[in-house]
Amino acid sequence: QVVLTQSPSASASLGASVKLTCTLSSGHSSYSIAWHQQQPEKGPRYLMKLNNDGSHRKGDGIPDRFSGSSSGAERYLTISSLQSEDEADYYCQTWGTGIHIFGGGTKLTVL
Amino acid sequence: EVQLVESGGGLVQPGGSLRLSCAASGFTFSNYAMSWVRQAPGKGLEWVSAFSGSGDSTYYADSVKGRLTISRDNSKNTLYLQMNSLRAEDTAVYYCAKSYDGSGKYFDYWGQGTLVTVSS
Repeated sequence: QVVLTQSPSASASLGASVKLTCTLSSGHSSYSIAWHQQQPEKGPRYLMKLNNDGSHRKGDGIPDRFSGSSSGAERYLTISSLQSEDEADYYCQTWGTGIHIFGGGTKLTVL
Repeated sequence: EVQLVESGGGLVQPGGSLRLSCAASGFTFSNYAMSWVRQAPGKGLEWVSAFSGSGDSTYYADSVKGRLTISRDNSKNTLYLQMNSLRAEDTAVYYCAKSYDGSGKYFDYWGQGTLVTVSS
């Protein structure tokens, strides 16, 4: 079964950029994933679906500051021009027939 | 505008039962797979159960198989989760999530969640 690995935490300064990583387990490097954002005390919000070729489909109203890219088994979420409201937990998700799997999440702190 | 509104959470004793509801609007409910996802206090997201858009398939995480039952009423645009034999480890915020399509791909919309607390 596929496993998604995320670093528990990341930090970057206001106005800077940050790149978060989601790593697919061995043998699953072709899988697509989705990125979700969860701000404090809120439900998750879909950001984008990201394919293994780096193409991505964003959710409604997601700013251009959010972008995705891929390299091998790594799936990236880059947030540029960081704003205070970007401080949140970020989860990657993948899926199969009758199953959904989440990474452990990355807590992003905006300094 | 897609909206998912969960309800039915609350405090229940171990071994008890609860039924959660998710009222959907803003899309053709019957065409899409739907899921329940939970989040224990201070923890990450855990997928619990899914119902296909075709209406003929249900799926469960091993941790809840045999105790939780997902159902849907397409005439009422509502998803349900019947929770029986509840345990302390079922304590979590339960979210309703819509899949991108009927087959159950990634989630493109989420509800705001409803809190279930299992405690004596």
